[in-house]
Amino acid sequence: NAGVTQTPKFQVLKTGQSMTLQCAQDMNHEYMSWYRQDPGMGLRLIHYSVGAGITDQGEVPNGYNVSRSTTEDFPLRLLSAAPSQTSVYFCASSYGRWSQPQHFGDGTRLSIL
Amino acid sequence: QQPVQSPQAVILREGEDAVINCSSSKALYSVHWYRQKHGEAPVFLMILLKGGEQKGHEKISASFNEKKQQSSLYLTASQLSYSGTYFCGTESGSGNTGKLIFGQGTTLQVKP
Repeated sequence: NAGVTQTPKFQVLKTGQSMTLQCAQDMNHEYMSWYRQDPGMGLRLIHYSVGAGITDQGEVPNGYNVSRSTTEDFPLRLLSAAPSQTSVYFCASSYGRWSQPQHFGDGTRLSIL
Repeated sequence: QQPVQSPQAVILREGEDAVINCSSSKALYSVHWYRQKHGEAPVFLMILLKGGEQKGHEKISASFNEKKQQSSLYLTASQLSYSGTYFCGTESGSGNTGKLIFGQGTTLQVKP
């Protein structure tokens, strides 16, 4: 099993560009989430999903879109990149039962100039 | 709303003990604990559920005080490998929401 796979691992964008961060898991997990990590801020929840076709906003959703068309994939879209979105992005998944451990991908390091 | 962790940073010598606290203003269903090494992804340590017992394995254990909405992580006889940033994650309400909110982290450095 590959677990949670995030692509790309590194990306540099210019302000105003759009892009999609990919996240895929092969564990048949119902729950998936996107977090961003900035120094001193911990992990902040952007969007999450409890199953295919169901998504909801987290703590910091502005500037990001998600969709969940399959159980395996949960892409994160930056609509118009801003320097404030420079961060490390983690995708995580877990079984859809009461409080199961989250499995994290290796992260995408995104810089916006 | 993010749970609050304290202290923000701890420096220990090998063999010393540490306690990391996590506090929330919301009624909690569960508390998760994760450890992250520099440049790596967070790794799951344990989950404490409302109404559950204190958990632990070997020298790392945790407790959950439901009335105070607080959890504590206990690291006993610390080892060099314990160094990293520790995060608590909290799930509120009745649980099974899929929504886990993390604290800002506690950086632990263990020196020889």
